Amino acid sequence: DADVTQTPRNRITKTGKRIMLECSQTKGHDRMYWYRQDPGLGLRLIYYSFDVKDINKGEISDGYSVSRQAQAKFSLSLESAIPNQTALYFCATSDRWTSWNEQFFGPGTRLTVL
Amino acid sequence: GQQVMQIPQYQHVQEGEDFTTYCNSSTTLSNIQWYKQRPGGHPVFLIQLVKSGEVKKQKRLTFQFGEAKKNSSLHITATQTTDVGTYFCAGSGGTSYGKLTFGQGTILTVHP
Repeated sequence: DADVTQTPRNRITKTGKRIMLECSQTKGHDRMYWYRQDPGLGLRLIYYSFDVKDINKGEISDGYSVSRQAQAKFSLSLESAIPNQTALYFCATSDRWTSWNEQFFGPGTRLTVL
Repeated sequence: GQQVMQIPQYQHVQEGEDFTTYCNSSTTLSNIQWYKQRPGGHPVFLIQLVKSGEVKKQKRLTFQFGEAKKNSSLHITATQTTDVGTYFCAGSGGTSYGKLTFGQGTILTVHP
């Protein structure tokens, strides 16, 4: 969805490096999420935030940290990247005020850790 | 924690054949959503089911939510090449309201 953008779209880095993935949205949604996708494992939740002052760990938060700089921005950091963090990362948003609570995904960031 | 299992992992069909993917949760869900991810793309919302035993249709797609609200299915009638992609179910329930637990996805390929 063009309303949810992720930068960079592709990134190759080395073991031990610190990297940040950024997500911005113009949908005005209060809720934002970070997922990683691995073949055969589906989408797994890393962190989520229901508003600027609310940050929650997902099922696989170890090795990751996040920052919600504003309602529209949610960044994911890998403090010291390792090869098993090689994956496709998606940011998503949703609106608490809709009954559907559907999530809108960004285009994804493909991260390779060598 | 909540687990959502989805089968099969892969499904290869000839164009015109039907396709079904199944989703089972370890706990009772308040709702279940279905998403489609085209090759190289991102997941896109298809539908949400909320009521026990609910059945919804979108053209050739039929979605069902089980009576116990622990399982769901997506059935595609007469597949077309445009149906290619990965189909995910995602459940929400209990204390995890607003947070989704995704199934592993079913990768559908359609041979013309």
